[in-house]
Amino acid sequence: AQKVTQAQTEISVVEKEDVTLDCVYETRDTTYYLFWYKQPPSGELVFLIRRNSFDEQNEISGRYSWNFQKSTSSFNFTITASQVVDSAVYFCALREAQKLVFGQGTRLTINP
Amino acid sequence: EAGVAQSPRYKIIEKRQSVAFWCNPISGHATLYWYQQILGQGPKLLIQFQNNGVVDDSQLPKDRFSAERLKGVDSTLKIQPAKLEDSAVYLCASSKPLGGYSSGANVLTFGAGSRLTVL
Repeated sequence: AQKVTQAQTEISVVEKEDVTLDCVYETRDTTYYLFWYKQPPSGELVFLIRRNSFDEQNEISGRYSWNFQKSTSSFNFTITASQVVDSAVYFCALREAQKLVFGQGTRLTINP
Repeated sequence: EAGVAQSPRYKIIEKRQSVAFWCNPISGHATLYWYQQILGQGPKLLIQFQNNGVVDDSQLPKDRFSAERLKGVDSTLKIQPAKLEDSAVYLCASSKPLGGYSSGANVLTFGAGSRLTVL
């Protein structure tokens, strides 16, 4: 069965610090997709990134970067120079075929 | 493009009462999902539609929950009778198939959710 583990329940840092959110997944499939979503206080889940299991290239988008390591079944998310607006709950998710399974989420608080 | 619309945003009912939530997906999105998000947890899929048909409802408590998607557009999720443990945010999402409806590459677009409190 699919499983996504986000071991960090809550993280609190001071603005401008770098922060990494961990995600570890379990799957028996060789073809799958990984996602990160952001859930701000408004409640709407916002898509951040999608990676497929055949593409282990790391990705950078502005202050956001993602490190996908198939050998350790991890898909970690780093925010560089964090800002107060980054405060939200972040979810990692795994999709096999048609089913999207979410982790428990990490609540990130950026303090001014 | 307009996002996924959901209503009501908030609902408070007493246990054993019934409630219904409505979702209007993004135009052209054939796949519609209902997720339940209990406080402090990740969203859990309740039911997935492809056009009018149900693709996956394995985690839907069918003794009290029902959902329909008439005409392959809007959808309604109903709970009857509600229990205390049904208190949660009910999220609707839709996706546009890429490379076939079963493609795992589909990106889900979520609505703002309907927060249910059962007293």
